[in-house]
Amino acid sequence: GAVVSQHPSRVICKSGTSVKIECRSLDFQATTMFWYRQFPKKSLMLMATSNEGSKATYEQGVEKDKFLINHASLTLSTLTVTSAHPEDSSFYICSARRRGLETQYFGPGTRLLVL
Amino acid sequence: DAKTTQPTSMDCAEGRAANLPCNHSTISGNEYVYWYRQIHSQGPQYIIHGLKNNETNEMASLIITEDRKSSTLILPHATLRDTAVYYCIVRVGYTGNQFYFGTGTSLTVIP
Repeated sequence: GAVVSQHPSRVICKSGTSVKIECRSLDFQATTMFWYRQFPKKSLMLMATSNEGSKATYEQGVEKDKFLINHASLTLSTLTVTSAHPEDSSFYICSARRRGLETQYFGPGTRLLVL
Repeated sequence: DAKTTQPTSMDCAEGRAANLPCNHSTISGNEYVYWYRQIHSQGPQYIIHGLKNNETNEMASLIITEDRKSSTLILPHATLRDTAVYYCIVRVGYTGNQFYFGTGTSLTVIP
């Protein structure tokens, strides 16, 4: 149990376009989902915390208008990178947490390349 | 923001036990210690977590010192597939839900 999927697994887009990444909890209800980004050879950096039905809470330094997060249901959260630029190229990873538990289960990640 | 300190890298011979240490000297009484690992280009995989008692599951054992200021993750019989970056995390954050990753330990299992 506790499987989290992400779609797409990799995406290449042109500078200035927007890209949406989906994160789904497949076999449990996730009251909270998290979004991370990871640069090559670096650790994961928390971007935002998303609770179902409410606005996401962004970490300091993360632009909320650039990284739009929606958590419309207990099994789906989306991250939209708006007006993407080459510096947004990164590995984006989501995680999900069951109600009442602290353990986070991570998705396989989405590799974004902005040309 | 990470509240943990881990060695940057370690090697372990295949078939031997891998002991990965973690210092978390500022841990609070109700904070759990979590261990995850990340194999190259994949999402982190949950391994184990604990509060103050030693824990064991099918993947590993977690030994937490009595003062809770440090812990050790033990992989009893390391295989080549255990080569990964191992992260020790103490839950922190204003709502208590966030995980802040440190730099982790890059474990290489040698044939």
